[in-house]
Amino acid sequence: EPEVTQTPSHQVTQMGQEVILRCVPISNHLYFYWYRQILGQKVEFLVSFYNNEISEKSEIFDDQFSVERPDGSNFTLKIRSTKLEDSAMYFCASSSDRAYEQFFGPGTRLTVL
Amino acid sequence: ELKVEQNPLFLSMQEGKNYTIYCNYSTTSDRLYWYRQDPGKSLESLFVLLSNGAVKQEGRLMASLDTKARLSTLHITAAVHDLSATYFCAVVIQGGKLIFGQGTELSVKP
Repeated sequence: EPEVTQTPSHQVTQMGQEVILRCVPISNHLYFYWYRQILGQKVEFLVSFYNNEISEKSEIFDDQFSVERPDGSNFTLKIRSTKLEDSAMYFCASSSDRAYEQFFGPGTRLTVL
Repeated sequence: ELKVEQNPLFLSMQEGKNYTIYCNYSTTSDRLYWYRQDPGKSLESLFVLLSNGAVKQEGRLMASLDTKARLSTLHITAAVHDLSATYFCAVVIQGGKLIFGQGTELSVKP
């Protein structure tokens, strides 16, 4: 069964460093999303992406964040200069249509020291 | 401001008992999801509810949706320890993004 994959599973970085979180969505899906979950809290929408551009972004998704689909399979989230408060689990999701169910990846746990 | 509120946030129950988790939301939506999350793990889709009056059941879990009241319920029948997890409801709004509730941490004790 097709699934969304994410790498790495855990990333530890120093404050101020850049990180890139990678996702491989399900192959025939066209809509891509990033969500984050701070430990013990609810899941929050960050950004949606379709047709090589951002469809919508939340207030959390400031200038430090960017997304890219560098090739036909990967979908990346970059944080330019990490802050302590960026420590969270980041989930990638994809769907074949924005009206259809989103399938979530296993997540990347980001720890900023 | 769009809100999705669950209650209770914490639920400790004994095996064999029944209980209901409630999810209220503040805007119109044509879809509501229930997810299960085990500690440190991803979100597992349990139910997709598409229309008013929709009811879905899987094993000991049953979910329903009342779009007029903007309320969904997740009912647990004869709980077992394996159901211990955090349960989230999520509402789809324009553009397809999901807005999640705070989660209900369920602990089932023998």
